[in-house]
Amino acid sequence: GAVVSQHPSRVICKSGTSVKIECRSLDFQATTMFWYRQFPKQSLMLMATSNEGSKATYEQGVEKDKFLINHASLTLSTLTVTSAHPEDSSFYICSARLLVGGYTFGSGTRLTVV
Amino acid sequence: GQQLNQSPQSMFIQEGEDVSMNCTSSSIFNTWLWYKQDPGEGPVLLIALYKAGELTSNGRLTAQFGITRKDSFLNISASIPSDVGIYFCAGRGSSNTGKLIFGQGTTLQVKP
Repeated sequence: GAVVSQHPSRVICKSGTSVKIECRSLDFQATTMFWYRQFPKQSLMLMATSNEGSKATYEQGVEKDKFLINHASLTLSTLTVTSAHPEDSSFYICSARLLVGGYTFGSGTRLTVV
Repeated sequence: GQQLNQSPQSMFIQEGEDVSMNCTSSSIFNTWLWYKQDPGEGPVLLIALYKAGELTSNGRLTAQFGITRKDSFLNISASIPSDVGIYFCAGRGSSNTGKLIFGQGTTLQVKP
């Protein structure tokens, strides 16, 4: 089946630094990827939609200059949290839309900013 | 914007019992999806529903796409300890963006 590989699974960074999270589609081409953030005991909240070769579309309230999304190829989308602060600590999950319908999710990245 | 109301928020049941959870929306969805999420993992698809009225089973799981297209339920029969986790409904509207809207989740705990 279609698999999205997300790395790293866990990362701890210092406040003020930037962190990059990668999602790769292993056996299919992902034209569209979605990035979610999930706080403890809460649901997945969509941050942005990225389409290969074009600018990402951000949801209301999500700072595009803080959460940089790059989808330069059909198999790789990245989310960079810039100048991270403790309130950015969360579980970040990517998802790829499949051509045949449906979605496949990455295994998530636990970001802790200290 | 579109929102999904999922209930119950949590359930604590005895092994062997049946479980039911549902999602409702004030707007119409074209697709309903049910996911299970284990701690520290991404959601895993359980059942996908694409047509109003559709009733689909996957082992001990059964889900239905409401006729009004504004609701869906998931039933788990004869629960076992490995059913523990958080269950999410997700709906996709008619827009071409393909965005999914997630419910708040139902936390299921099963007592052996």
